Amino acid sequence: KAGVTQTPRYLIKTRGQQVTLSCSPISGHRSVSWYQQTPGQGLQFLFEYFSETQRNKGNFPGRFSGRQFSNSRSEMNVSTLELGDSALYLCASSLEPPTDTQYFGPGTRLTVL
Amino acid sequence: GENVEQHPSTLSVQEGDSAVIKCTYSDSASNYFPWYKQELGKGPQLIIDIRSNVGEKKDQRIAVTLNKTAKHFSLHITETQPEDSAVYFCAAGDYGNNRLAFGKGNQVVVIP
Repeated sequence: KAGVTQTPRYLIKTRGQQVTLSCSPISGHRSVSWYQQTPGQGLQFLFEYFSETQRNKGNFPGRFSGRQFSNSRSEMNVSTLELGDSALYLCASSLEPPTDTQYFGPGTRLTVL
Repeated sequence: GENVEQHPSTLSVQEGDSAVIKCTYSDSASNYFPWYKQELGKGPQLIIDIRSNVGEKKDQRIAVTLNKTAKHFSLHITETQPEDSAVYFCAAGDYGNNRLAFGKGNQVVVIP
């Protein structure tokens, strides 16, 4: 079974731009969570989507948003990029809640110049 | 919210020896504790997890122990091999909530 896939793998943007990242969960998984990973803050939870609805949200500003489609694929968007948004953005999928095991994708490396 | 701390930050062990990583958590409501291994250029990979109704769980060379009273849990890797070299993250959360709080990670280096 194919794992979680994320596109693109690498992205370079400039301050003020916006960016959209994509995540395709493992087949049959309906929950998708997003995390931001930086050297200073580590892994931080952004939000989780299940059945096209945001189920959980972390402590990030409104510039960070996401959505989920009927096929469980998910996108996250960051508007008005700041230098501090440079990070590895990880997507994790899991079966229908309540469940526990989350499987991570390889991440999208975003660099903001 | 939940706060997870990991110690030590870097751990070097001789091949064949054991490695132990300890984590503490702050929220007594947390009931799910997974451990992830992350290799360079890859996403975190789940290696073992434990729920709060169990005190210990083992999977081949890897084991996790949980002390709910003290609010700490540990990862034990026995007979370490060079391929065990990676960054290990502990996490805590509420089972079924899919919202995990992660520790900052431990770099484990296995010296051949």
